[in-house]
Amino acid sequence: EPEVTQTPSHQVTQMGQEVILRCVPISNHLYFYWYRQILGQKVEFLVSFYNNEISEKSEIFDDQFSVERPDGSNFTLKIRSTKLEDSAMYFCASSVYGGYQPQHFGDGTRLSIL
Amino acid sequence: DAKTTQPNSMESNEEEPVHLPCNHSTISGTDYIHWYRQLPSQGPEYVIHGLTSNVNNRMASLAIAEDRKSSTLILHRATLRDAAVYYCIPQTGANNLFFGTGTRLTVIP
Repeated sequence: EPEVTQTPSHQVTQMGQEVILRCVPISNHLYFYWYRQILGQKVEFLVSFYNNEISEKSEIFDDQFSVERPDGSNFTLKIRSTKLEDSAMYFCASSVYGGYQPQHFGDGTRLSIL
Repeated sequence: DAKTTQPNSMESNEEEPVHLPCNHSTISGTDYIHWYRQLPSQGPEYVIHGLTSNVNNRMASLAIAEDRKSSTLILHRATLRDAAVYYCIPQTGANNLFFGTGTRLTVIP
């Protein structure tokens, strides 16, 4: 069964550094998402992306965050200047269409900011 | 967005059926009810969704109350692999899922 893959599984970065998290969504899916989960807390929506544009974003997704689909397969989340509070699991997801369609999640990248 | 209420935790014996309840009394008429689960150290996994009618798939069944203010996820025979946090999520049609705290299901061998 096709799945969403995320790399790396664990990223350690110094505070203030830029980090890029990578995702390969399921190939025929058109909508892409990023979520995060701080240790012990809820899964939180960050952003959704369709047709090379952000379609929705949460308050968490401020100017320090950006997303890109640089080619036909990858979907990336960039954090420009990381803060300690950015430490979390970051999950990528994709769906065939938006709205009520099921979202398929990767197993996440654990981001640790030192 | 509709608020949900789920038990913090539930236990089930292996190979027994499990009924996981969810109250969503503020749900709107067009919200679908989605269920996801999160196994330890994994990303959320889609389980099932429905609007008004009861739904079945290979993983589970979803029973939706006639007034749509509550729903129940039914695992017909719990296995150890079903131990996870189960989330009930009314979805408005927007592209984002709002996860609550869910129900942590423990399966006892």
